[in-house]
Formats: sequence, C-alpha cells, structure tokens
Amino acid sequence: AQKVTQAQTEISVVEKEDVTLDCVYETRDTTYYLFWYKQPPSGELVFLIRRNSFDEQNEISGRYSWNFQKSTSSFNFTITASQVVDSAVYFCALSESNTGKLIFGQGTTLQVKP
Amino acid sequence: GAVVSQHPSWVICKSGTSVKIECRSLDFQATTMFWYRQFPKQSLMLMATSNEGSKATYEQGVEKDKFLINHASLTLSTLTVTSAHPEDSSFYICSARAASGGANTGELFFGEGSRLTVL
Repeated sequence: AQKVTQAQTEISVVEKEDVTLDCVYETRDTTYYLFWYKQPPSGELVFLIRRNSFDEQNEISGRYSWNFQKSTSSFNFTITASQVVDSAVYFCALSESNTGKLIFGQGTTLQVKP
Repeated sequence: GAVVSQHPSWVICKSGTSVKIECRSLDFQATTMFWYRQFPKQSLMLMATSNEGSKATYEQGVEKDKFLINHASLTLSTLTVTSAHPEDSSFYICSARAASGGANTGELFFGEGSRLTVL
C-alpha cells in the first residue's frame, strides 16, 4: 500500500535559518510521482514541485531545494534563508503512475519567526 | 498556469440542508477531477474520483449517497453534501487533471478550497 510519512509535525525556526522538511514514502510501484505543496493559512494548496521516480536529480528553485533519494525512499525539502512568508503547512504527496490520485502525508507546520 | 476555481469559498448552513460546491477548470479541459476533504489540522483525504460522463468512484468509507458528485462537462464537477450535519464541517478541495493534447497535459491543479460549516 502507498503511504507518505512526514515525521515532523511542527517546526519553528528564526528567520534566515535553513530548514529541512522530511518526507518518506512507501510504494510497490516502480513508476510514481512525488509532490510538495504549501498550504498557507488562507487554505489554498500551492504547488511547489513534482518529481517522477526515474529522475533522481536534486532540484533547486530559488531558496527551495529538493533531495530525492530512492535508496531511502525519501524526498526531503529544504528552505534556505527562511522568511516569515514561508510559514505554512507543507504537504508531501505520492501518486502512482501520475494518475492524479494523491496520497498526502500528515503535513508539517512550519513557523518562521522574525 | 492553469486555474481551477471553486465556489463558494465558504458556506454556512443549517443541519439537514444540502450544499453544493462547484469546481471549474477555467482554461483547460479536465477529464478527471478529484475531491478531497481536510478536517482542521489534518491532512487531505481523497473522497472520490470524478470522471466526465461517468459515475464517480468513491474511496472506502465515503458515503456516495451523502456526497453526490456530478461531472457533467469537461470543465465542471460538483459535490453536493446532502442532509449536512455538523460533523460534515470541513474544508473541501477539488483538483482537476488536464486532459491530453493541451499544454498542461496530465498536470494536476487544485482549487482554492471551500470551507463548509454546518450549524
């Protein structure tokens, strides 16, 4: 069965600190997709990244970076030089074969203090 | 990017009434739409998968007679919460998967969410 685990329920950092959000997944499929979404207090889901199981290259987008390691079934997300606006709940999600049906992790609440 | 719009953004209703939530893909066709529910401080849980022109597929534990889903066109899916009760109060989010052939083929886009409060 598919499962996504975000072990960190809440993280609090001070602005400008780097922070890494962990995500570990389980799936029996060889083809799958991993996602990260941000959910600010307003509630909408903001898409951050999609990565397929065949692409293990790490990705950097501005202050955001992602480390995908199939050997440990992890897809961790790092925010460099965090800002108060980064405060939100972050969800990691898994989709088998990009069906669109997502299994979400429990979410990690990130609080960035000024 | 592509836009998915949900309406209403928030709704308050009395117990026993029915509430309809719309999910529209504004600039692309969506053969498949998904409905998720999120209780406070919890994760999103898939309720059902809605395919245009056919019956929705419900996840285990979701009452299909209570949560009516209609996907009558390639740009609109509706979720009707029938005979709503306070325990149905939640944040309902839809997502739409872009149909093949367009610039966003296969991509998944989320609506803004609809917050339902049942008194």
